[in-house]
Amino acid sequence: DGGITQSPKYLFRKEGQNVTLSCEQNLNHDAMYWYRQDPGQGLRLIYYSQIVNDFQKGDIAEGYSVSREKKESFPLTVTSAQKNPTAFYLCASSITGGWDEQYFGPGTRLTVT
Amino acid sequence: KQEVTQIPAALSVPEGENLVLNCSFTDSAIYNLQWFRQDPGKGLTSLLLIQSSQREQTSGRLNASLDKSSGRSTLYIAASQPGDSATYLCAVKGNNNDMRFGAGTRLTVKP
Repeated sequence: DGGITQSPKYLFRKEGQNVTLSCEQNLNHDAMYWYRQDPGQGLRLIYYSQIVNDFQKGDIAEGYSVSREKKESFPLTVTSAQKNPTAFYLCASSITGGWDEQYFGPGTRLTVT
Repeated sequence: KQEVTQIPAALSVPEGENLVLNCSFTDSAIYNLQWFRQDPGKGLTSLLLIQSSQREQTSGRLNASLDKSSGRSTLYIAASQPGDSATYLCAVKGNNNDMRFGAGTRLTVKP
C-alpha cells in the first residue's frame, strides 16, 4: 500500500528533552511538509522540503529542526527551545512542491510535561 | 498575508439534509483550493481540489465551488449521513508553496 506513515501515534516527553517525530512516504513524492495543529486553529506550516537535501522554514519554525537525507523520509525534531511543544503534528507530501494535492499522514500527538 | 476563515465553527443537522460549508480567503491570487475531512485524532483526507482556473469540482455527494474574485469557496454535501460527521477544513495554496488552512467546521449529522 502506498502512503504516509508517522510514528509513534502518541509521544510523551519531559520538558527540556529533544524529541524526533518520524515521517516516511512510499509515494515517490518530491515534496514533504510538517504542520502543527492546535485546538480551534488551522494547521500551521513548520518546515517543508521540495527536494532531497533542501528544506525551507515555514511560519513557525522556531524551536524545530528537520533533515531530508532521503526522498522518502522527513523527520522533525522538536527541541527544548520550542516553548509550547504539546500539539498534534501532521506530515504531508505532494508529487512536487507546486500545484498538486497534498496527502497527509495519520499524525503524532506529542505531550510534553 | 493570506487569511482563511471558515464559518460556522460547528454545525449540527439531521440526517438527510443538504448542507453548505463556507470558506473565505483574503487574497484572491491563489493556485488552488483544497477541501479536507478530518476525523477526531486522525490525519486529513483530501476530498476535492479546485485549481484556480476552475469553478467547481464534484465527487459523489460532494460539490465544491470556487469564486476567486469574491474570495469564497463552498462545499455542498447532499443527503447528509451520520458517517459524514467530521471536521471539514479548507486550505488555499498561494505563492512559494504557501498553503493556508482555515480552522475548520465541525459537522455533526444526527440519525
